[in-house]
Amino acid sequence: DAGITQSPRYKITETGRQVTLMCHQTWSHSYMFWYRQDLGHGLRLIYYSAAADITDKGEVPDGYVVSRSKTENFPLTLESATRSQTSVYFCASSESGRSANEQFFGPGTRLTVL
Amino acid sequence: AQSVAQPEDQVNVAEGNPLTVKCTYSVSGNPYLFWYVQYPNRGLQFLLKYITGDNLVKGSYGFEAEFNKSQTSFHLKKPSALVSDSALYFCAVRDRTGGFKTIFGAGTRLFVKA
Repeated sequence: DAGITQSPRYKITETGRQVTLMCHQTWSHSYMFWYRQDLGHGLRLIYYSAAADITDKGEVPDGYVVSRSKTENFPLTLESATRSQTSVYFCASSESGRSANEQFFGPGTRLTVL
Repeated sequence: AQSVAQPEDQVNVAEGNPLTVKCTYSVSGNPYLFWYVQYPNRGLQFLLKYITGDNLVKGSYGFEAEFNKSQTSFHLKKPSALVSDSALYFCAVRDRTGGFKTIFGAGTRLFVKA
């Protein structure tokens, strides 16, 4: 039972390139999230999705695009990477129902933009 | 604006001694409150949450947290620290009326010395 996985785990790219980070969960959770973790900022929400084909912006959505054609997958795309997007990216999921439900996090993707 | 504060960047404690990691929040109403732990190169793991009821919440690995409504605090505690508790700890809050959007603190690094 893999739970929630992310790929790649590490990525180095150049400014201006398109990058897609993958997230896959095996629990059939309705909700999925993308966060970025930066020193001194904790985790900041980029986008989230309540179900397939339903997505919404979080706190820092600029420069990112998401899609959710299947419940289990929630890819995050940086259309034209910038150095400020160097960060560690975490995908998370949560069961539907009460909003008191905790989130389950993937192992993270460390992205470096040169 | 909603916010979460973890006033200490790092907490140092000797093994066997009690530990406290502090968290205060500014959120309207009665939010849901969470603690997560992050070990090196791993995603966040859920420790415990406060929904309602008893102000002392017990969670995983012997951790507990005390909710204080008047002080808007949710401090994480453990009676006897272990070296293996050394990690990064995040406090998080979620408005009961705001769906799944969660605000995370900046994190507190706990270092337990043998």
